[in-house]
Amino acid sequence: KQEVTQIPAALSVPEGENLVLNCSFTDSAIYNLQWFRQDPGKGLTSLLLIQSSQREQTSGRLNASLDKSSGRSTLYIAASQPGDSATYLCAVRQGYGSGNTGKLIFGQGTTLQVKP
Amino acid sequence: GAGVSQSPSNKVTEKGKDVELRCDPISGHTALYWYRQSLGQGLEFLIYFQGNSAPDKSGLPSDRFSAERTGGSVSTLTIQRTQQEDSAVYLCASSSDRGRYEQYFGPGTRLTVT
Repeated sequence: KQEVTQIPAALSVPEGENLVLNCSFTDSAIYNLQWFRQDPGKGLTSLLLIQSSQREQTSGRLNASLDKSSGRSTLYIAASQPGDSATYLCAVRQGYGSGNTGKLIFGQGTTLQVKP
Repeated sequence: GAGVSQSPSNKVTEKGKDVELRCDPISGHTALYWYRQSLGQGLEFLIYFQGNSAPDKSGLPSDRFSAERTGGSVSTLTIQRTQQEDSAVYLCASSSDRGRYEQYFGPGTRLTVT
């Protein structure tokens, strides 16, 4: 059974710092991995999607990496800003043949606070 | 539409009543998903519709929960005889049925059972 873990659960940093959020998963037979952002009381916003054959994806100040064999992904945020304060969730979609296709399995999230 | 829409945004109901939650996916997306987010459980999968295939209902917590998708577009999640433990935010997502399968989420419906 796939399990997704995010560490740390909460993180507080001063504005301008570069930071890394961690995501690990127990079953490497994934189809893709998505990173989401969730603001309080809002839905999820997709930030980056990495296919199982890819090593990393970049969007602006965000870079997500994937090491499928070790079951790890990281989200790197460069030059953090107060507007980056939110909860960040990673989720995996299982690959074909491994059952449970379609649904995303989520980690518990990392709540980030960037202080001005 | 421009994004996934859900209605109502908030619903307060009395224990034992039935509720219906609606999801409008992104135009052209043939895959539709329902998830539930609660404080104790995080985000959990409920049901997945993919085109004309039989839906994956493996995440529905009890037979009080059901969902349908009419005309391959709008979906309704129905909870019968609501219980206090059903209080949560219900999120809908949609994706294309090929390629990246990137899921796009709606704003959610916050359900409170009193």
